[in-house]
Amino acid sequence: KNEVEQSPQNLTAQEGEFITINCSYSVGISALHWLQQHPGGGIVSLFMLSSGKKKHGRLIATINIQEKHSSLHITASHPRDSAVYICAVPLMNYGGSQGNLIFGKGTKLSVKP
Amino acid sequence: DAGITQSPRHKVTETGTPVTLRCHQTENHRYMYWYRQDPGHGLRLIHYSYGVKDTDKGEVSDGYSVSRSKTEDFLLTLESATSSQTSVYFCAISETGTNNEQFFGPGTRLTVL
Repeated sequence: KNEVEQSPQNLTAQEGEFITINCSYSVGISALHWLQQHPGGGIVSLFMLSSGKKKHGRLIATINIQEKHSSLHITASHPRDSAVYICAVPLMNYGGSQGNLIFGKGTKLSVKP
Repeated sequence: DAGITQSPRHKVTETGTPVTLRCHQTENHRYMYWYRQDPGHGLRLIHYSYGVKDTDKGEVSDGYSVSRSKTEDFLLTLESATSSQTSVYFCAISETGTNNEQFFGPGTRLTVL
């Protein structure tokens, strides 16, 4: 069974702290997605990566395919980073067409000023 | 921002009534998805489409049907709504499937009384 586990479930940080959110998955994958869900409910894609590291502003995503693990880092955290962060991996269907993503339950981050 | 709209954005209905949610895109993306999001669960796939008239079931498809008669529209129908279908429903699009970034609509909050 494909599973995606995130840790921690909830995270409270002080403004300026370095944040790490972890994602582990149980099957081989071709790519992993990191998403952000704003307090208002909107969902945006942050990263899709299949190896190594990607950086966008203060956000850094890394993946270790052999260890089936990915991390999302936020440097110099800010209250506006408060959101739910979700990782997801693809599930290939039997027909071989690219089916769906399996999502973790998310990590709720709250950054206090 | 990717051009994805969902309608309605909010709906309250009674058990046993039919409900149709609409997802409309202006990006000409091949793949379209319907997810539901519930407390304690990650996003879960209901149905997806990989082309006009081409659809497949997801993890939680019971009680739902879909149709895609043109590239830009993907309809989700609850033939006879039940209280267990109270949820927030998200539509998403992707150019080439799960190895490509997904763009999410704003969501529809459905309450079945």
